[in-house]
Amino acid sequence: EVQLQESGPGLVKPSQSLSLTCSVTGYSITSNYWGWIRKFPGNKMEWMGYISYSGSTSYNPSLKSRISITRDTSKNQFFLQLNSVTTEDTATYYCARYGQGFDYWGQGVMVTVSS
Amino acid sequence: DIVLTQAPLSVSVTPGESASISCRSSKSLLSSKGITSLYWYLQKPGKSPQLLIYRMSNLASGVPDRFSGSGSETDFTLKISKVETEDVGVYYCAQFLEYPYTFGAGTKLELK
Repeated sequence: EVQLQESGPGLVKPSQSLSLTCSVTGYSITSNYWGWIRKFPGNKMEWMGYISYSGSTSYNPSLKSRISITRDTSKNQFFLQLNSVTTEDTATYYCARYGQGFDYWGQGVMVTVSS
Repeated sequence: DIVLTQAPLSVSVTPGESASISCRSSKSLLSSKGITSLYWYLQKPGKSPQLLIYRMSNLASGVPDRFSGSGSETDFTLKISKVETEDVGVYYCAQFLEYPYTFGAGTKLELK
């Protein structure tokens, strides 16, 4: 069974970088696409970007140059880095596999940006 | 960006009755390959979003057939027949036709 698990700090200070890890079991990240999606307080959902089976990436232009998604195929993990965070980046962050749509999701990690 | 407008934003349903949620797209979601890239998700309280419907009308694995999706190129409907207590949560439509992928604002389903 495909399983995804996010990990990372739950509190980040403004202007610093947010770094999260998604660990995948039951499926290789060298197949399909693997993405990050966040849900803001109040239900709004935002696709942040994804990394493909080959390592190419696509990002939401709203995040401009602040975002980077990378991977470690030896550990079957992929990563999110979001730079220069503000309080507006406070959200629950999910990693997910893109198959028929985003069909497998992690349980999510809540990240608060606050000094 | 493609804007998805959901209606209503909240709905209260008696168990056993039916419910419908609408999703309107600002642009056709029909691809050149003839696939309509509209998806429906349910986020139950305290859980991750789960895929209900893919490509407008296809039931995802493990999803009860009480759920169904239909629509055209820009107007879509999720129907839940005989709502059960486990159907409570927030329903989202999403488009994966073009970047950036976008989601509707969500429809909260509650029980009467």
